[in-house]
Amino acid sequence: AQSVAQPEDQVNVAEGNPLTVKCTYSVSGNPYLFWYVQYPNRGLQFLLKYITGDNLVKGSYGFEAEFNKSQTSFHLKKPSALVSDSALYFCAVSPSNDYKLSFGAGTTVTVRA
Amino acid sequence: DTGVSQNPRHKITKRGQNVTFRCDPISEHNRLYWYRQTLGQGPEFLTYFQNEAQLEKSRLLSDRFSAERPKGSFSTLEIQRTEQGDSAMYLCASSLASRGHPEAFFGQGTRLTVV
Repeated sequence: AQSVAQPEDQVNVAEGNPLTVKCTYSVSGNPYLFWYVQYPNRGLQFLLKYITGDNLVKGSYGFEAEFNKSQTSFHLKKPSALVSDSALYFCAVSPSNDYKLSFGAGTTVTVRA
Repeated sequence: DTGVSQNPRHKITKRGQNVTFRCDPISEHNRLYWYRQTLGQGPEFLTYFQNEAQLEKSRLLSDRFSAERPKGSFSTLEIQRTEQGDSAMYLCASSLASRGHPEAFFGQGTRLTVV
């Protein structure tokens, strides 16, 4: 069975500083990895995914994530955070032969002005 | 709005009552998923359909839960004899079944409160 760990419940950064949200995973076979963001009273919004190819994946709103197979990690990054990036972020994984997602518990990001 | 639509957005029901939720996926998406999210947790998979066929059900989906997608378009999730533990956000998502593992798009969810 697959699983995701997001070791930080909360991440606090100042606007303009780099933002990193950590994610590690466990899955049989090749992983498909995703990041979603959830704003209050909004549905989950897709940010980016890793399927194959380059380990550095670029997504929406200036976010990127780096796939590290040896460390089984898929950390989300943004070089310069905005106050509007404050939200709940979820990492998710599915094995390559399946489409259902296993989500982490989420990390609340707060970007202060 | 061409996204995934869920109705109702909120439902308060008394314990023991039956409730039904509806999901309208993105029109060309042939895969449809139901997830449940409780406070402080990530979404947990419940079931999914490809077209009208229900292909997988989670062990979380007790006998009181049933999902249908009669014509391969919208889907309904029914909970019979609701219990307080059923209180959660129920999320629907849809995607294309195609190569490249397309991402799922989520609706805003139906928040169920069982009192």
